[in-house]
Amino acid sequence: DAGITQSPRHKVTETGTPVTLRCHQTENHRYMYWYRQDPGHGLRLIHYSYGVKDTDKGEVSDGYSVSRSKTEDFLLTLESATSSQTSVYFCAISEGQANHEQYFGPGTRLTVT
Amino acid sequence: AQSVAQPEDQVNVAEGNPLTVKCTYSVSGNPYLFWYVQYPNRGLQFLLKYITGDNLVKGSYGFEAEFNKSQTSFHLKKPSALVSDSALYFCAVRDKNRDDKIIFGKGTRLHILP
Repeated sequence: DAGITQSPRHKVTETGTPVTLRCHQTENHRYMYWYRQDPGHGLRLIHYSYGVKDTDKGEVSDGYSVSRSKTEDFLLTLESATSSQTSVYFCAISEGQANHEQYFGPGTRLTVT
Repeated sequence: AQSVAQPEDQVNVAEGNPLTVKCTYSVSGNPYLFWYVQYPNRGLQFLLKYITGDNLVKGSYGFEAEFNKSQTSFHLKKPSALVSDSALYFCAVRDKNRDDKIIFGKGTRLHILP
């Protein structure tokens, strides 16, 4: 987890409220990713970024938005939280895309009641 | 569709015995393959990868994986299991049809029995 932090680490929120999760890296890696981990589904990509202000959708992007105004920070926003967004969220970074490994943060456990 | 499969949800191995965690893939073109491990309440950690070259890849913590093109497999192995190897293991493959994003298998839980 060195070089990548996520905040908050735990959060409980109510349905319909907006939520923002933060990922911060000190490695100066170009690529940053947001995943969600759910039992039986493994890891699923929500959004990713390939540079400042450059982002793209992953396979489960509905209900989520992202922003990257600085190399080191990648924010994930749940615009109006739903119970189906209860999950563990992981941020990851990598130097490149295809042949580079990813390094993961410690995760954020989000519960939407 | 390009994909990666881990056919076993759980694998149980006695301590000291060799272990294998299976992974098969389906991609077009040359595959880039990865293994990650996740310990409880932690993020995933990179173990090893196959990009090109020798089919036997060595990684962290004594793990290795063999790339088998004819069987489209990339099984993770270790000659002698430790109780501390108990964790969740993920295989991943580059998805050339999705802008080279990495897609993950559903994971295999490895239990090493003392």
